[in-house]
Order: sequence, then structure tokens, then C-alpha cells
Amino acid sequence: GQSLEQPSEVTAVEGAIVQINCTYQTSGFYGLSWYQQHDGGAPTFLSYNALDGLEETGRFSSFLSRSDSYGYLLLQELQMKDSASYFCAVSANDYKLSFGAGTTVTVRA
Amino acid sequence: DGGITQSPKYLFRKEGQNVTLSCEQNLNHDAMYWYRQDPGQGLRLIYYSQIVNDFQKGDIAEGYSVSREKKESFPLTVTSAQKNPTAFYLCASSPRTPIPHNEQFFGPGTRLTVL
Repeated sequence: GQSLEQPSEVTAVEGAIVQINCTYQTSGFYGLSWYQQHDGGAPTFLSYNALDGLEETGRFSSFLSRSDSYGYLLLQELQMKDSASYFCAVSANDYKLSFGAGTTVTVRA
Repeated sequence: DGGITQSPKYLFRKEGQNVTLSCEQNLNHDAMYWYRQDPGQGLRLIYYSQIVNDFQKGDIAEGYSVSREKKESFPLTVTSAQKNPTAFYLCASSPRTPIPHNEQFFGPGTRLTVL
């Protein structure tokens, strides 16, 4: 099976940078995804890494190290609207995603 | 507009009753999924279907049943055998290809409360 660990909460001020780490254990690893979920809403896809390195999409970047079974999501220039839960998820050699428990990011003025 | 719809948004049932949650997608996706989310927790997979007339159990299938008679529809029945059915239920879909980037698209969810 798969297991993922990520911090439960992170708090930061507007304009700051936040890094959310995710470590995983899985067999048949394909890639690591990140999803954002605002309170009471649907999760939405943010990024995906299949190869080692950094992927940048606007203010958000995601990193993967396959050898370390580790990845992170970097949120830059934090805005109030970034207050949400962020989930890492691994995809293995099937069509399923296994999600972490989520990290609640609170942005303060 | 293409997307996934779930209805109703809020659902209340008495203990011991079966209840069916609706999930419809017009994205022409082959794969569909049902997740359960409890407060402060991640998403746990209940059932998934990669193609019409076929589905597999996820991590927490006990007390649930599904059907996949049409590509666009994947209803979930919460049976009286499910011991703690009160939760937020999310439906998702994804194309079977390209693999491995199986981005999933989520519906707005149904919040089920069993009284």
C-alpha cells in the first residue's frame, strides 16, 4: 500500500513563502501530485511531478526527489486566498491516487 | 460547460436507511472515483471504476456499493451496514490516458448526515 506524511498545519503572513513537505512510501511509484481544497469545497489540481526536480507554475512550485521519496510544494508571495488545505497524493501503477492527510495553511494579514 | 455534478449538496437520513448519492460527468472520462472525507482528514478511496460495467473496491469499501452502467454516471449507495456514514463524499473522474499523469477532477461533494 501507500503511506504519505505531511505537516498538519502551517501559518504564515501575507507575502511570505511557505514550504509543505511530503514524504511517501509506495510501490510502483509513478508521480506526486498536489491538490488544493478550500473549506467545504472540491479539491483542485495544482501540480504533478514524475521526474526529479522543480516544476514552477506561477506562484506555486513543486519539487520531487524520487531517491528520497520526498517532495514539497512551495507557495510564494502568499495571499489571503491561499488559505486552504493542501494535499499531496501519489499515483502508482494503476489509476488510483492515494492522498495524504492534508496541510492546513492559514495566511494572516 | 464540462464538469462533474453531485446531488444533493446536503443530505440527511435516518440511521438504518440506505441512501444513494448521485455523480454525473460530461467530461467523457473513462475513470470515476468515490472518496470519503472526514473533518480534518484526507481523502479515502471507497470505490473506483476504470470503465463501464467494471469497478473495484478502494481502501474503505465496506458498507458501500456502486454501479457503473453508463460512462457518465457512477452512483454510490451508502448502506445501513456502514457504521459511521456521516461524512463529506466526493466524486472524481479522470481520463484513462495519458498515464501516469492522471489528474482527477472533483465534483462539489455531498455532505451526508445520518441522524
